[in-house]
This record gives sequence, C-alpha cells and structure tokens, in this order.
Amino acid sequence: QSVLTQPPSASGTPGQRVTISCSGSSSNIGSNTVNWYQQVPGTAPKLLIYRNNQRPSGVPDRFSGSKSGTSASLAISGLQSEDEADYHCATWDDSLKGPFWVFGGGTKLTVL
Amino acid sequence: QITLKESGPTLVKPTQTLTLTCTFSGFSLRTSGVGVGWIRQPPGKALQWLALIYWNDDKRYSPSLKSRLTITKDTSRNQVVLTLTNMDPVDTATYYCAHAPPPYSNYLFRWDYWGQGTLVTVSS
Repeated sequence: QSVLTQPPSASGTPGQRVTISCSGSSSNIGSNTVNWYQQVPGTAPKLLIYRNNQRPSGVPDRFSGSKSGTSASLAISGLQSEDEADYHCATWDDSLKGPFWVFGGGTKLTVL
Repeated sequence: QITLKESGPTLVKPTQTLTLTCTFSGFSLRTSGVGVGWIRQPPGKALQWLALIYWNDDKRYSPSLKSRLTITKDTSRNQVVLTLTNMDPVDTATYYCAHAPPPYSNYLFRWDYWGQGTLVTVSS
C-alpha cells in the first residue's frame, strides 16, 4: 500500500478536463513539493510536473498541477487520445527514520 | 543531452545477489547537486523508489529494503551500480535508473531523465 493515495482509474472524453488527486500527510506532501510523472504502458515514466506546478520544457500547458495542504492534484484540460497513460505523483517523506522518496499507486487514465 | 541506460542480468535465481549498472552520459556526478537513483516497477504495479546517490556520496535508501541494498558510483566511468541481495520472486520488476538535477534539496527534488528500464525476473 502506497504512502500517497491516488484513485486507481480516471476517464474522460476528448476535449474534457480531468483531474487526478494525490493524498498524503504532513510528513510528505505537507512538507515537500510534488512531482507528477506520465507513463505510457511499456515505456519509462516521463516528468510531467515538478515543484507542484512547474512544467518541464516541452510539456503542453494543458497539464497543470496544484497543491493544498497534504493533497495535490493534476489537471488535464482539452483531453487528447495520446494522454491515455498512467499518472504517478511523488515526493519525499520526512520520516523519523530518515527521508525517503515515495510514489503514489498510480492512476490509469482512459480516454473514451 | 542526458541519457541513462541500465544493464545487468535478465534472470536471477532466488537468494542470489542482483547487480545492476546505470551508464550515463550528458552530465557528470562530479557536478554539485547532481544525483542518480534507482526505481523499480513490478509488472502491473506501482513505482517503488530504491536508492539515490549524490555527487558528494550522500546515499539514501528505501527503508523497507535498506538492509539488502547498496548503491555506489564510479565517477570516472560515468556509472552507478546497485546491488540487491537475497533476491526473491517478489523482486521481479523493471528496474529504472534516473537523473536528479541540482539543487541539493529534498524540497526542490525531481527525477528529470530516466533510462529505458531493464526487466529482471527472479525464478529458479
């Protein structure tokens, strides 16, 4: 069971806006910035959002991230068929045993 | 242009030790703030972080696997090596290495470049 909780699945039709949530705690999301990764099945994850809401060069502005308290969200507007992929949130957890990197369980996005 | 590539055995037997090598180009592990780490993904399951090593030899490990993991770097060869002892079928996964750019800060951390991954199967 992941430290960060994501819905296992999400879906939308082309052109729609969808959001994916990532719930954590004060020791992880509450204390650090959140990254989002996009993973097309059979390929390596790709950095989509970092520092809660920053997009790397080349990532369309249809993708946006936000964070509030111990939760984060990824929003995809103008949904396209190529957005069908798995999406993972991630951050550091500042546990008493020492910091460790954590991923959410991943959300499979289906474009209907 | 940053690239990373994982190499190692595709099949290991239970109780054996897995040794994986990440060979990279386009950056140096002598550069302040740079890190390289390992993440794995069992078939159909979530990503799981394993280990991270920084330019200054600061090493971080997943608490659940710390006793079995060792990460080292060979700066002159642009390689990072991960060993995982006492392999079990549950360790069957695709293993990725990834680059972490500066700054040297948990708060601002990200994995920005990933290797293609290598599938390791544990079976007798």
